[in-house]
Amino acid sequence: AQSVAQPEDQVNVAEGNPLTVKCTYSVSGNPYLFWYVQYPNRGLQFLLKYITGDNLVKGSYGFEAEFNKSQTSFHLKKPSALVSDSALYFCAVRDDRGYQKVTFGTGTKLQVIP
Amino acid sequence: GAVVSQHPSWVICKSGTSVKIECRSLDFQATTMFWYRQFPKQSLMLMATSNEGSKATYEQGVEKDKFLINHASLTLSTLTVTSAHPEDSSFYICSASDSSYNEQFFGPGTRLTVL
Repeated sequence: AQSVAQPEDQVNVAEGNPLTVKCTYSVSGNPYLFWYVQYPNRGLQFLLKYITGDNLVKGSYGFEAEFNKSQTSFHLKKPSALVSDSALYFCAVRDDRGYQKVTFGTGTKLQVIP
Repeated sequence: GAVVSQHPSWVICKSGTSVKIECRSLDFQATTMFWYRQFPKQSLMLMATSNEGSKATYEQGVEKDKFLINHASLTLSTLTVTSAHPEDSSFYICSASDSSYNEQFFGPGTRLTVL
């Protein structure tokens, strides 16, 4: 069975400071990893994904994530946080074996303080 | 990126009535669509996976007779909540995937309130 852990319910960061939202995963095969962002009463917006290739993945709105196979992690990062980045962030994983079911983490609320 | 719409964005209904939610992929053909339910401050719970032209695959614990899913075309899937009760009140989100993509594209969600 596959699973995703987002150990922090909430992350607070000052505007302009770097931010990190943590994610670890477990899958049987090779992982496909995703980050999504959700604003209040809205659906999820895709930020970035790791399928294969470079471990550092760059995505939308200046976000990036680093795939670390040995630590089974895929932390989301941004060098300089904006107040508008405040939202709920979900990490998700599926394995590479055809069936497209994706497992989502419980979400991390990011609060960027002006 | 690909666009997925949902209609309605919110609906209020009386207990015992049925509600239909539409999910459309606007600029690509979605071979697979997914229906999720999200409770306040919680993650997404996958309800079912539907492939165009075939029966939906429901997750364990989801009543298929209560949550009817139809994926009649490559651009449209519908979720009908039959005989709705207050405990069915939730945020329902659909997503769609093209066979050539790896990510799912999500609709904006539908807020259902059953009185």
